[in-house]
Amino acid sequence: EDQVTQSPEALRLQEGESSSLNCSYTVSGLRGLFWYRQDPGKGPEFLFTLYSAGEEKEKERLKATLTKKESFLHITAPKPEDSATYLCAVQAPRNTDKLIFGTGTRLQVFP
Amino acid sequence: EPEVTQTPSHQVTQMGQEVILRCVPISNHLYFYWYRQILGQKVEFLVSFYNNEISEKSEIFDDQFSVERPDGSNFTLKIRSTKLEDSAMYFCASSGEGGRNYGYTFGSGTRLTVV
Repeated sequence: EDQVTQSPEALRLQEGESSSLNCSYTVSGLRGLFWYRQDPGKGPEFLFTLYSAGEEKEKERLKATLTKKESFLHITAPKPEDSATYLCAVQAPRNTDKLIFGTGTRLQVFP
Repeated sequence: EPEVTQTPSHQVTQMGQEVILRCVPISNHLYFYWYRQILGQKVEFLVSFYNNEISEKSEIFDDQFSVERPDGSNFTLKIRSTKLEDSAMYFCASSGEGGRNYGYTFGSGTRLTVV
């Protein structure tokens, strides 16, 4: 069964303290891995799509990487406005566009 | 920046009543989706819609649920007879290429409370 597991569940960082969030997946034939940011009471906001092992993408303080078993979201020198839940999702294989989400990592960045 | 608009933002309904959740996807998108998120749980796929028909649905999407694109701009989710366990955030999403390259754009959601 296709599965996505994110760790840690929650992460508290001091402003400027870099860290990484993990997303491990079990999918037979990954078509795409997505990272989203979700603020309380809001919908997921698209950050990145990764398609193949070794691929990396960056946006401001965020950098996403992908291996054959997992993806990391690296946060460099975070700011309080980076506080949110970060969701990982995989696109299931074989003629389907549905996303399978993990439970997310709740990030809090303190000044 | 284009966005997906959902109305209402919050709906309270009595058990057994019908509700219709509305969405206006991004205008040039062709693929439309509904997802839901029960409080504290994962975002779950409900249904995908393309070319005026359902392309895929999950086990959650039983006969109580239906979707429609009535006028070329709106995309609706109807729950015929709501149950307490239908209480959740419902998210509409759309994409231009089945999610490729630019991902899926989600709306801000409708919080459905069944009492």
